[in-house]
Amino acid sequence: DAKTTQPNSMESNEEEPVHLPCNHSTISGTDYIHWYRQLPSQGPEYVIHGLTSNVNNRMASLAIAEDRKSSTLILHRATLRDAAVYYCILREEAGNMLTFGGGTRLMVKP
Amino acid sequence: DTGVSQDPRHKITKRGQNVTFRCDPISEHNRLYWYRQTLGQGPEFLTYFQNEAQLEKSRLLSDRFSAERPKGSFSTLEIQRTEQGDSAMYLCASSLFFSHGTSGNYEQYFGPGTRLTVT
Repeated sequence: DAKTTQPNSMESNEEEPVHLPCNHSTISGTDYIHWYRQLPSQGPEYVIHGLTSNVNNRMASLAIAEDRKSSTLILHRATLRDAAVYYCILREEAGNMLTFGGGTRLMVKP
Repeated sequence: DTGVSQDPRHKITKRGQNVTFRCDPISEHNRLYWYRQTLGQGPEFLTYFQNEAQLEKSRLLSDRFSAERPKGSFSTLEIQRTEQGDSAMYLCASSLFFSHGTSGNYEQYFGPGTRLTVT
């Protein structure tokens, strides 16, 4: 799977929007962009995924650049429960495992 | 369905002992994955099954590690002759895969993990 680059950590204030960036300049045409997050002492959980178009679900929005070399996970109103490590992962069309990088540790301040 | 479960949640063992972990996936899921996570790092893939067939193994999975999924439902991961470097969180995940679809789409559901400490 192609490599992703994310900031090590970010801070946000509670109830404010958060934009978590991810660079994936070597993405191939068949790579899906997945986001998972891992809350303290828990296994990772799926957040959202997309291929080319922006995506919205109840947890977050995913904005994908037109050239697909970067994407942004958007949490519209951060809560204390959103404090977690967020992983941006590229997954081949025929791929099976998830290849996690270091992720971004999001800290949310009350 | 209560999701993916793992047992035990914590295991402390002495170096050289054998340990076995169990994972119960979401019942209708045909794919089951094992990952290992050390402190401060993201999870690393170890192996995965489709039904009872083990389809891929990472080179991280040394000869001391063996995984089974005998009836295509629960899975076990055994580590023989444990070493201190085996201390980690062992995570299990499951997913539903359709052969006519693209596995890029199918989200994985993770269990809470088994934390292994080798003393």
